[in-house]
Amino acid sequence: EIVLTQSPATLSLSPGDRATLSCRASQSVNTYLAWYQQKPGQAPRLLIYGASNRATGIPGRFSGSGSGTDFSLTISSLEPEDFAVYYCQQRSSWLTFGGGTKVEIK
Amino acid sequence: QVLLQESGPGLVKPSQTLSLTCTVSAGSISSDDYFWSWIRQPPGKGLEWIGYIYHSGSTFYSPSLKSRLTISVDTSKNQFSLKMTSVTAADTAVYYCARLEEWPGPFDSWGQGTLVSVSS
Repeated sequence: EIVLTQSPATLSLSPGDRATLSCRASQSVNTYLAWYQQKPGQAPRLLIYGASNRATGIPGRFSGSGSGTDFSLTISSLEPEDFAVYYCQQRSSWLTFGGGTKVEIK
Repeated sequence: QVLLQESGPGLVKPSQTLSLTCTVSAGSISSDDYFWSWIRQPPGKGLEWIGYIYHSGSTFYSPSLKSRLTISVDTSKNQFSLKMTSVTAADTAVYYCARLEEWPGPFDSWGQGTLVSVSS
């Protein structure tokens, strides 16, 4: 099973700050990696697929990069609605999710 | 925009079988482009993929849960279902159904989720 490790577990930032979230895979997943945003009481929402492609309707401040084992999700300037938990997910071998990064207001 | 809605009992006794159904609307479960999946999330924890099914009935299960799972599809009702046997308190979670794009795509649409508690 491919293990996805997300860091940091919690990121404390202010609106307007730049956020960089990391996702590391235990073995190569090529670019078969997606990112999701989850707010309390809601289902996850797809942000990024194929490591760097924004899903329909996702604002340009969200960007993804990486390939192989190291990936990142960047939010260029945090809006109040961006404070949430973010998960990465791979589909190179079966399906697994990372443990999540919580982006909280500082 | 496809819509998915989970339904089923919110409380299941230990050792019994958990049964959930996902109804798909504004889209066809018979599309060749998608798989139909179950994912769960224990309270305060992360996401765990359970399994998925194609409209033909082909299934793919998480190796860690495979022995307790059955996922089935009813194309006439545009529904798919999950059965999990021998449940314990560790199976308490919010259960989501989701649409999975054909490989290697992501989960692009999710239901709102339903909380299933395992307790006597």
